[in-house]
Amino acid sequence: EAGVAQSPRYKIIEKRQSVAFWCNPISGHATLYWYQQILGQGPKLLIQFQNNGVVDDSQLPKDRFSAERLKGVDSTLKIQPAKLEDSAVYLCASSFGISEKLFFGSGTQLSVL
Amino acid sequence: AQKITQTQPGMFVQEKEAVTLDCTYDTSDQSYGLFWYKQPSSGEMIFLIYQGSYDEQNATEGRYSLNFQKARKSANLVISASQLGDSAMYFCARNFNKFYFGSGTKLNVKP
Repeated sequence: EAGVAQSPRYKIIEKRQSVAFWCNPISGHATLYWYQQILGQGPKLLIQFQNNGVVDDSQLPKDRFSAERLKGVDSTLKIQPAKLEDSAVYLCASSFGISEKLFFGSGTQLSVL
Repeated sequence: AQKITQTQPGMFVQEKEAVTLDCTYDTSDQSYGLFWYKQPSSGEMIFLIYQGSYDEQNATEGRYSLNFQKARKSANLVISASQLGDSAMYFCARNFNKFYFGSGTKLNVKP
């Protein structure tokens, strides 16, 4: 069974530039999550999708972050413009349903210079 | 806010000994799930163990067991017979519609 796929694995950009991350969840998983993990901290939920609808985006900085999950399968997370404090690992996870255990991708490590 | 608290930023344990990692949570929900994940230095998140709030018995998975005390709202992870490969960050998480993580405990296993 294929796992959660994320790309790119690493990304280095300068502040004020834009960046996008891609995630393809495990086939059949209806719930998809994007987390931000700053070094030394626990993952922080940015947005949660159920199929192609948003369940929770209360911690997503909507002035610069956006996410979509078209057709209820893969998802993209965009940052525009990036700030220095956005340097973090961005983790995508999926689950069969809400309240099920999460399966994580390998993450995208973003460095904003 | 419904929080997950891990009060031990770092812990050391001698190889082959048991160690307990603490986790308390704040919830007004009656039905919820508690999870533990391991994150080695490679960065991957590895699922370890799950406990449902209505489960009467503590969950066990090999060398991992969960000491669940519902009234105290605690879900401590016990690792028996620690191995060098257990050195990692450990995160407690709670799930009911939304999946929240604690700040983690860094475990170092000494040879």
